Amino acid sequence: DGGITQSPKYLFRKEGQNVTLSCEQNLNHDAMYWYRQDPGQGLRLIYYSQIVNDFQKGDIAEGYSVSREKKESFPLTVTSAQKNPTAFYLCASSIKSFRGDTQYFGPGTRLTVL
Amino acid sequence: AQSVTQLDSQVPVFEEAPVELRCNYSSSVSVYLFWYVQYPNQGLQLLLKYLSGSTLVKGINGFEAEFNKSQTSFHLRKPSVHISDTAEYFCAVSDRNSSASKIIFGSGTRLSIRP
Repeated sequence: DGGITQSPKYLFRKEGQNVTLSCEQNLNHDAMYWYRQDPGQGLRLIYYSQIVNDFQKGDIAEGYSVSREKKESFPLTVTSAQKNPTAFYLCASSIKSFRGDTQYFGPGTRLTVL
Repeated sequence: AQSVTQLDSQVPVFEEAPVELRCNYSSSVSVYLFWYVQYPNQGLQLLLKYLSGSTLVKGINGFEAEFNKSQTSFHLRKPSVHISDTAEYFCAVSDRNSSASKIIFGSGTRLSIRP
């Protein structure tokens, strides 16, 4: 089955640690996205990539980093510089970077800082 | 800049009753509009989208939405809800003319169905 996978489903981090969230898609989509979801705030864009080896900052990129070395993969690193990283993180992809394209979402990773 | 306002954070309804979830957007340019649904602890799934053409858009699970340009609204409706419709619903907008592929999401409306 085609789709987007995210791992792990739950992640616990101690303060001062970097952690990496995995996102893989087998839909052959060019564009990939990372969102952060907090209660009552909807989704906020962290980073997006329209093509391999290229990515752009979203609205809340501070304290996060990404890479796009392969079309299928778009990992997100939450660094120790992110002041309040506890949240639900969603990865998505779309066929192209066309504005009307449907975004397909993974099941999410819930990150908790201890 | 674009923005999306979902006027109700929570909407409780009885099973088999009709429901309307309201969405208004603010944009100085032409837009594409979307409704996504999120079941508990899952990712989002597209319900429907408006790209062009007929302003009444039909989606999955019996939902429909109407694009009203003069009122800058894109309200979601269902004539008879089921327990399985319990979820959070997000309205979203993207700029037709932008070179970027970002879309802006509203803060969500939690739909709870009472038996």
